[in-house]
Amino acid sequence: AQKVTQAQTEISVVEKEDVTLDCVYETRDTTYYLFWYKQPPSGELVFLIRRNSFDEQNEISGRYSWNFQKSTSSFNFTITASQVVDSAVYFCALRGAGNNRKLIWGLGTSLAVNP
Amino acid sequence: GAGVSQSPSNKVTEKGKDVELRCDPISGHTALYWYRQRLGQGLEFLIYFQGNSAPDKSGLPSDRFSAERTGESVSTLTIQRTQQEDSAVYLCASSPGRVGTEAFFGQGTRLTVV
Repeated sequence: AQKVTQAQTEISVVEKEDVTLDCVYETRDTTYYLFWYKQPPSGELVFLIRRNSFDEQNEISGRYSWNFQKSTSSFNFTITASQVVDSAVYFCALRGAGNNRKLIWGLGTSLAVNP
Repeated sequence: GAGVSQSPSNKVTEKGKDVELRCDPISGHTALYWYRQRLGQGLEFLIYFQGNSAPDKSGLPSDRFSAERTGESVSTLTIQRTQQEDSAVYLCASSPGRVGTEAFFGQGTRLTVV
């Protein structure tokens, strides 16, 4: 069975702090894909990143960075120098490469960045 | 438009009435998903369409829920005899369907059953 766990339900930080959102996944697939999405207060889910299981290279995009570690089945997301506009719910998701390509979602982490 | 479009954006209905929610996916996207999100909760999978394959209906909560998709175009989610517990935001997403591609979401339909 596939499963995504985001253990942190809510995080509150002060602006300019760094914050890491955890994502741990379970899958028996050898090939799979991991995703992060942002859901701001407006409600629309915004795609942030996709990572293939065979590519463990970490990625940095501006203040965002992702740490993918197959050994610990984790795909953590770090926001550096957080800003108020980063306040949102962040979801981690997993999809296998088999016939059923249904996305499996974590329950989300609500991030509040306070001025 | 270039994105996933859902209509209506808001729907208030009386308990017991039927409702129909519409999703226009991004052109060319073969995969289409419906999710339900209750207030403050995560995404609850409802149904998944992939091209001409039989849809994955494993997430539909009861036989009051059904969804259709015509080819690779519009999808409608129908809820019959609505209950107050059906109140939620219903999200639609589409993706190109190729392995590993991300899904793009619409803004959702906020359904309130009174």
